Amino acid sequence: KAGVTQTPRYLIKTRGQQVTLSCSPISGHRSVSWYQQTPGQGLQFLFEYFSETQRNKGNFPGRFSGRQFSNSRSEMNVSTLELGDSALYLCASSETVNYGYTFGSGTRLTVV
Amino acid sequence: QKEVEQNSGPLSVPEGAIASLNCTYSDRGSQSFFWYRQYSGKSPELIMSIYSNGDKEDGRFTAQLNKASQYVSLLIRDSQPSDSATYLCGVPNAGGTSYGKLTFGQGTILTVHP
Repeated sequence: KAGVTQTPRYLIKTRGQQVTLSCSPISGHRSVSWYQQTPGQGLQFLFEYFSETQRNKGNFPGRFSGRQFSNSRSEMNVSTLELGDSALYLCASSETVNYGYTFGSGTRLTVV
Repeated sequence: QKEVEQNSGPLSVPEGAIASLNCTYSDRGSQSFFWYRQYSGKSPELIMSIYSNGDKEDGRFTAQLNKASQYVSLLIRDSQPSDSATYLCGVPNAGGTSYGKLTFGQGTILTVHP
């Protein structure tokens, strides 16, 4: 079974730009969550999608958004990038949260 | 009070010893608990899940859960240098939220020295 696939692996963007990150979950997993990981804040929940619906959202500004497609693939978008958005962005998928989440390799975003 | 707290590290143990990692959580309604291992520069990997009070063993790993004390731990027996990593305790629905959110502790850095 293929794991969670995230693309791209690395990104360098300039302040003010926007970025779109992609995630393909494990086949059969309909729940996809996104997390931001930084050395100072640790792993922070961004949002979760299930069957194309956002069911939960973390405490992040509206510049962070996402969506899920009918095939469960998900994208997250960050607009008007700030230096503080530099982080490892992780996508994770699950059949249900109570089974735990499998993480992808992440996208490391650097904002300069 | 943080929703999920882990014992402060870093934790250093000699090869062959038992490493003990601890985690407390605030939401008494939490029903499942996960331990993730994260190597430097890599993403978190699920290594243990536990749902019922008591112990759950998987190879050299034992997870212990005490819901009355709101405490979950991970024991690593016969620690190896390859166990050196950051260990994250993750709890779904912690803090009264719902759907798809795992709340993580800050992580404990474990170093196993030869």
